[in-house]
Amino acid sequence: QSVLTQPPSVSGAPGQRVTISCTGSSSNIGAGYDVHWYQQLPGTAPKLLIYGNTNRPSGVPDRFSGSKSGTSASLAISGLQAEDEADYYCQSYDSRLSGSRVFGTGTKVTVL
Amino acid sequence: EGQLVESGGDLVQPGGSLRLSCAASGFTFSNYAMNWVRQAPGKGLEWVSYISSSSSTMYYADSVKGRFTISRDNAKNSLYLQMNSLRDEDTAVYYCARDVDCSSTRCYTWGSSWFDPWGQGTLVTVSS
Repeated sequence: QSVLTQPPSVSGAPGQRVTISCTGSSSNIGAGYDVHWYQQLPGTAPKLLIYGNTNRPSGVPDRFSGSKSGTSASLAISGLQAEDEADYYCQSYDSRLSGSRVFGTGTKVTVL
Repeated sequence: EGQLVESGGDLVQPGGSLRLSCAASGFTFSNYAMNWVRQAPGKGLEWVSYISSSSSTMYYADSVKGRFTISRDNAKNSLYLQMNSLRDEDTAVYYCARDVDCSSTRCYTWGSSWFDPWGQGTLVTVSS
């Protein structure tokens, strides 16, 4: 039912770089709405990781970076660490329904 | 930075009602719109509802429209979600989250807001 599609899982060895895609359409990301990313560690509430496509809140390591192009966005994690193992969600807005915030399907990152 | 604490989750029978609360502290609650987001067991995040800072505007996901009502009391720094006609598929952890559309350097256009912070969540189980 999510309108933003993410790969179910990605994995990498410690120190490697992984990327997570978030694919939308002309009514959300492609319409110019910004994309935000959240990290959800096991058993905890989601936490803001990236806002406004590319911006990191204070306290978020610069290993995390975001980008947006056309109808898609991406989250990159460089120098992968064991504590990065978590679920990651993108979020934007969809103009087809009034007030409708939308989340991506979620991606599980596994550190090998 | 702010803190949000949800309460009110419980086990309820299908067709029943429940009212969730979210207590805000550490920021000027009346200046911010608020949201409810839920997560079914083992599933992803689903936005549920939005309310503007003055309660003048509310939005709902189609899955809860007509059954759930969002409200707030700015004098009590509190957000609420009244849930009626509950269904099995409403079983989830419910989070409240502040709606933010300005950083320290700029404000973003309508629709580009993000959620920060989030509460710890409260579990609603709908089952007979």
